[in-house]
Amino acid sequence: GAGVSQSPSNKVTEKGKDVELRCDPISGHTALYWYRQSLGQGLEFLIYFQGNSAPDKSGLPSDRFSAERTGGSVSTLTIQRTQQEDSAVYLCASSLSLTGGQGEQYFGPGTRLTVT
Amino acid sequence: AQSVAQPEDQVNVAEGNPLTVKCTYSVSGNPYLFWYVQYPNRGLQFLLKYITGDNLVKGSYGFEAEFNKSQTSFHLKKPSALVSDSALYFCAVRASDRNYQLIWGAGTKLIIKP
Repeated sequence: GAGVSQSPSNKVTEKGKDVELRCDPISGHTALYWYRQSLGQGLEFLIYFQGNSAPDKSGLPSDRFSAERTGGSVSTLTIQRTQQEDSAVYLCASSLSLTGGQGEQYFGPGTRLTVT
Repeated sequence: AQSVAQPEDQVNVAEGNPLTVKCTYSVSGNPYLFWYVQYPNRGLQFLLKYITGDNLVKGSYGFEAEFNKSQTSFHLKKPSALVSDSALYFCAVRASDRNYQLIWGAGTKLIIKP
């Protein structure tokens, strides 16, 4: 079946511009995550959505970052007034909400954001 | 504090030799442990997980990992390495306070030389 998809795959933007990154999770997965990965580095948690519950936004690095998830499916991560330090690969993942966090996460291919 | 350590930034192995990628963790309660792999220019893929039961878990592509509670380790292993195993490997553990969240290691680059 279809996996997690993300668009665009690459985005080059000028400093100060706003960008929107999109994630389509696997159908039926109620949990959705956004991560940021700098070149060759580990994953930085950004935000978590679970069904209709309030999202966990504790990982968002500043108020320039926001995300929404419409209809419990597609999610959009928005970065306003982009800065050069926002350059990274943004990864989206989805999972089934198995008891106690047993479910593995399925990742999209990522969006590579370059801020010039 | 909750954490995951992957002590080696890079591991080099000759093709056909056994490989081990190390991971130690620190969380309270019963750990749920995961290994993911990231091939060049691709997203992360789930390899295997330990939830409960047998300490030796088998996963995709011939990989296995051994959970050792006394040493708080979850090392990834493969009996015979392939050049195609060259990738970035991440260990992760479920957070104690937020069971939906994973705590990630920094990753280990595995290079298999022919």
